[in-house]
Amino acid sequence: QVQLVESGGGVVQPGGSLRLSCAASGFTISNFGMHWVRQAPGKGLEWVACIWYDGNNKYYADSVEGRFTIFRDNYKNSLYLEMDSLRAEDTAVYYCAKGRHGESIFDYWGQGTLVTVSS
Amino acid sequence: EVVLTQSPATLSLSPGERATLSCRASQSISIYLAWYQQKPGQAPRLLIYEASNRAAGIPARFSGSGSGTDFTLTISSLEPEDFAVYYCQQRNYWPLTFGQGTKVEIK
Repeated sequence: QVQLVESGGGVVQPGGSLRLSCAASGFTISNFGMHWVRQAPGKGLEWVACIWYDGNNKYYADSVEGRFTIFRDNYKNSLYLEMDSLRAEDTAVYYCAKGRHGESIFDYWGQGTLVTVSS
Repeated sequence: EVVLTQSPATLSLSPGERATLSCRASQSISIYLAWYQQKPGQAPRLLIYEASNRAAGIPARFSGSGSGTDFTLTISSLEPEDFAVYYCQQRNYWPLTFGQGTKVEIK
């Protein structure tokens, strides 16, 4: 069955960097668009980034453009989010999500990993 | 970006009652709207996609309707497990956006 397991969250100082990982099983990530979605404590959902199934097209929310990079490793069947120049407002639970049939609809989600940006 | 406005913010109902949740888009998004349910401490779960299609395993009491700018999620008869927060999401334009959520609570 489809499973997504995030890791890499933790506490980081403002201006610091962190890399999140999402290990996928039960499907091949290179056949689907893959996304990161975040949720600040007590707040709603915010889409962060997407890598399209072809691996060439990537899209970002304005709030992270130029600071975050989404990429994948097809051999490891894993998705990543490299986060640089972190700010307090990036504090959130980060979810990895699978796109449904090449559409930007999230049909499977991981359990999330918490990123806290604080000095 | 497309702004999705959900109403009401909170819906207080009893089990067995009908719930009607609204999502309004700031511009036309055709039928490219999805609905998700989120319970405390859990990841969201896809309920409805393309405005009116139930996702796999979703009970028939959940239904969606609408097109253009106005969309509705209806829960025909609330079960105890349906009390949660519901989000709408559009995929017609980048960036993808979510509504702010509607909390369905027990009255």
